[in-house]
Amino acid sequence: DAGVTQSPTHLIKTRGQQVTLRCSPISGHKSVSWYQQVLGQGPQFIFQYYEKEERGRGNFPDRFSARQFPNYSSELNVNALLLGDSALYLCASSVLAGITDTQYFGPGTRLTVL
Amino acid sequence: TQLLEQSPQFLSIQEGENLTVYCNSSSVFSSLQWYRQEPGEGPVLLVTVVTGGEVKKLKRLTFQFGDARKDSSLHITAAQPGDTGLYLCAGVGSNYQLIWGAGTKLIIKP
Repeated sequence: DAGVTQSPTHLIKTRGQQVTLRCSPISGHKSVSWYQQVLGQGPQFIFQYYEKEERGRGNFPDRFSARQFPNYSSELNVNALLLGDSALYLCASSVLAGITDTQYFGPGTRLTVL
Repeated sequence: TQLLEQSPQFLSIQEGENLTVYCNSSSVFSSLQWYRQEPGEGPVLLVTVVTGGEVKKLKRLTFQFGDARKDSSLHITAAQPGDTGLYLCAGVGSNYQLIWGAGTKLIIKP
C-alpha cells in the first residue's frame, strides 16, 4: 500500500509570494496533520483535520491556512511568505484524530524562501 | 509552556559501542513517543511509553519512561551504521497536541 505522499518535494519561492502544499493520506486514514520542521529543530504542529473539519491549530499566524477534501487529501496554504517560513513541511495521516493514534509521516516538502 | 529537551544534540560513535540519549522536561506528560527520522524522510514512530517507569525493548533499542513521567531515555546496544539518524521524542501536551524535542543526531561510524 502507498504511504503518505506529498507534493512538490522541493519548492523555491520569494518573499511575499504564496504557496500551496499538497498531501495524500494513506488509504482509509481520515485525519491529516501538518507540521513545520525548521532545520535543526523538531516538528512544530500547525493544523489537524479530521473528516474535513479543523480539529486543532498550533501557534502559527493567520498567513497559514489549510483544508481537507472529501477524499481526505489536504492542502496547506501559506500567504505572504517570509524568510523564516523556509522549512520542511511534513504531513502525517492517521486513521482517527485521537492523539494516541499512530501518525504516519510523508517525506515532506522542502520550502525555501529567498 | 511545556518543553522537551533532548541531549546530546549530536553524537558520533563507532560501530559496536553503546549509547544513551535523553529526553527531559519539567512537565508531566501522559505519554512519550520516540521517532527516528532519516534524511529526506518523515519521522517514523519507534515506540510509545505510557506508564511511569515503563521499559520497552525493540531489538537492540531500550526505551524507558521516568517514574514521574517527565523524562525518557533511549539506550542502543552495540550500535550499527543502520542506526544512524535523527532521534526525536514527542510528548502529548496539555492541549492534546504533540510537543517535540529538537532531536539527537546520531552517526554510527563503521
